[in-house]
Amino acid sequence: DSGVTQTPKHLITATGQRVTLRCSPRSGDLSVYWYQQSLDQGLQFLIQYYNGEERAKGNILERFSAQQFPDLHSELNLSSLELGDSALYFCASSPYSGQGRSYEQYFGPGTRLTVT
Amino acid sequence: LAKTTQPISMDSYEGQEVNITCSHNNIATNDYITWYQQFPSQGPRFIIQGYKTKVTNEVASLFIPADRKSSTLSLPRVSLSDTAVYYCLAPNQAGTALIFGKGTTLSVSS
Repeated sequence: DSGVTQTPKHLITATGQRVTLRCSPRSGDLSVYWYQQSLDQGLQFLIQYYNGEERAKGNILERFSAQQFPDLHSELNLSSLELGDSALYFCASSPYSGQGRSYEQYFGPGTRLTVT
Repeated sequence: LAKTTQPISMDSYEGQEVNITCSHNNIATNDYITWYQQFPSQGPRFIIQGYKTKVTNEVASLFIPADRKSSTLSLPRVSLSDTAVYYCLAPNQAGTALIFGKGTTLSVSS
């Protein structure tokens, strides 16, 4: 158990819908990272927040957005869902800010999103 | 464009040493290279990270040459429980995004 929690564990929804994935980092960790893992694309970095501020951005679609709240939990919002958005979404936390410092991250169990 | 490249799969036997190499292209020159292990239906688990030369911890060693164009994860005396997918992770040159390799599936047999 990494100490990172993600809800829900599974999510089934229809194309065009909007969903919110939630992540609670380990106690004391200020960084939250979001990743998408699909069979054909592997692990794709989406976005990182550090203490409430966006710190790094990867291949995150405009239909996707994220934020980190004052209590450090984070939410990933996915809208106008398409079949290709079906994937495992992981959240990871770290006590470090990245960028020249450690990328040691602790991953949650993931949310499996199925778009039908 | 930053890119990391790893072998798709490797096979080994219990007790052998396994070396997995990741090639890095256009990554940040002053940043850590990190390796993760992932079992099916679980999130990746941190193994080791390094900046240059050699780093060793209780489970693995990491070798990074001076040009930092590659890194090699070394697993000493693997066991069946080391069967997993191994990923290298490096930041892009600007340090604004993280690049995961496609992963190397290691299969350990008895």
